[in-house]
Amino acid sequence: DTAVSQTPKYLVTQMGNDKSIKCEQNLGHDTMYWYKQDSKKFLKIMFSYNNKELIINETVPNRFSPKSPDKAHLNLHINSLELGDSAVYFCASSQAQGAPDTQYFGPGTRLTVL
Amino acid sequence: GNSVTQMEGPVTLSEEAFLTINCTYTATGYPSLFWYVQYPGEGLQLLLKATKADDKGSNKGFEATYRKETTSFHLEKGSVQVSDSAVYFCALSDHRGGNKLVFGAGTILRVKS
Repeated sequence: DTAVSQTPKYLVTQMGNDKSIKCEQNLGHDTMYWYKQDSKKFLKIMFSYNNKELIINETVPNRFSPKSPDKAHLNLHINSLELGDSAVYFCASSQAQGAPDTQYFGPGTRLTVL
Repeated sequence: GNSVTQMEGPVTLSEEAFLTINCTYTATGYPSLFWYVQYPGEGLQLLLKATKADDKGSNKGFEATYRKETTSFHLEKGSVQVSDSAVYFCALSDHRGGNKLVFGAGTILRVKS
């Protein structure tokens, strides 16, 4: 009955590789997000999609490319991974984009770049 | 731009002690305010929220009141338990910012038995 799920939970890879993280929500929400949590626990928005349309892109390097095949899925592809990409990535979803609304978070994907 | 400032941790308390975690915000509009909690090794869970001035959010014995005059949303609990040990994040969202959450730096709470 997981509301927001992410795969994989852990991802260890070498510098320069390309990897993807998948997110799915079964809440029927219209809006999905990606957040990055660094080693000091600081959380920052990366992207937001509303009904498959990109709404927010917060000065993230273009090595990061989100893709939303439908409104229940928002995947994150990262090219040419760098050491500084090591972090925990959280997916979230909310009902509506036009009004402040509770966001529901996935369990996170811990990415380690060696 | 919008920002959130939280008291630095870690905060270490004995069981049954009173908890306050300070949170202040800067926003150009009228944001909604949230407290999220992250237990060790887990994702974030909404603890409570308030959507307008003077609203009080409450859940699991935690409370916070949206104070527009002091731009604050301090988290309180009258008697903490060991199971409350976690990282607490204050956050705001503003629909004009696309509903993105802007987080404070997080406050680690450790409760000793």
